[in-house]
Formats: sequence, structure tokens, C-alpha cells
Amino acid sequence: KNEVEQSPQNLTAQEGEFITINCSYSVGISALHWLQQHPGGGIVSLFMLSSGKKKHGRLIATINIQEKHSSLHITASHPRDSAVYICAVRQGAQKLVFGQGTRLTINP
Amino acid sequence: AAGVIQSPRHLIKEKRETATLKCYPIPRHDTVYWYQQGPGQDPQFLISFYEKMQSDKGSIPDRFSAQQFSDYHSELNMSSLELGDSALYFCASSRQQEMETQYFGPGTRLLVL
Repeated sequence: KNEVEQSPQNLTAQEGEFITINCSYSVGISALHWLQQHPGGGIVSLFMLSSGKKKHGRLIATINIQEKHSSLHITASHPRDSAVYICAVRQGAQKLVFGQGTRLTINP
Repeated sequence: AAGVIQSPRHLIKEKRETATLKCYPIPRHDTVYWYQQGPGQDPQFLISFYEKMQSDKGSIPDRFSAQQFSDYHSELNMSSLELGDSALYFCASSRQQEMETQYFGPGTRLLVL
């Protein structure tokens, strides 16, 4: 069993829909990251969370430390949101352990 | 704002050749991480450096070595390349003491033929 599990693995939705991507982890963490990877491969850090909730534009990320669960929400989704979204947990001050990613496709 | 710089962006090598990938962290970042992402796979942690010392080691093959220099840039040296080394290699940097998020470079895409 992977230390970081994401669901769903693939998600296709229509423009404007509300999107939720889930991440569960089984290890102790110091922080959780949500990352976005576009087809060209570049990785962009969206959020770093250690508790509570963060919002940036149409993106919202939440984390429940007790339940070892985090969610990434996208409101009013747009085709340009199409990408792979990766949950990664940080153990201590060092390395990230990555989930397998969720491939999101938003159709116009 | 300055970002993490990686060079080269693309590299084609043949089996058994060597390759050197370079990473220039964001100014004032003292920690560098290397990750390998094979085709269709999650990124996997290879190695990290803090203040020019190796700070953590992941699934890095013995054929690979890395170091961080006095200007905090890092190089990943890969020898006796194998077909399976074809991957996207990411470098990330952070400021250790402030436990900041890791900022990723654009990656170096290595193809071994």
C-alpha cells in the first residue's frame, strides 16, 4: 500500500463544475503539498498545508491531520485547469513522498 | 521572482555514457532536492543537500552521485547510463530553517538510447 493515496486517479468534468480531489496518507507528516503538473512536465507548487484550509483564487485546499486526509477543490473549473494534480507529503524537514497523481480533464 | 533553474532542459545520451544535470536554487535557498519521474510514474526522491552536505538519501542508484557547491548549486552525475534512466529529473529548493515549501525547477528530460 502506498504511503500516499489519491482519488480519483482520473477525472473528467465539464467547464464550470466543482472539482474535488482527495488525498489520504498513512505516515506522520510535517506538511502536505498540492502540486500541479502540466503536460510539458513542469511542476508548480499550489499549496503547502500543515493545518486547516488555504484558498488561492478558485483553488481551496483543506487538511484534517487527525484523519490524515486532505482535499483540493477547484471552483468554476476551466479547461486550463486540465493537468495532473499531485499530493505530496513531507516527512520531517526533508523529502517529499508523492501520490500517484490525479489526471484532471475539463472539457469546454 | 527568480525560480529554480535547471540545465540542460533536454538531454539525449546513449547507453553507458555519462550525464551531468545542474540545478541552480532560488537565491538564499540552502537546500536542494533531486527527484526522478519515470514515464507515467510518480516522482521519486533521489537525494537532498543542506548547506553543501548530503541530508537525505532516497532511491538513488550507486551509478549516480551528486553534490552541492559553495554557491548552493547542485549537480547530479549519472554514469553508465541505462535505458531505464530515461526520465524527467526535477530539482527543488527550499530554505531549511523556515521550513518553506519546495520550489520546483522545470526539470531535465533525459532520454537514453
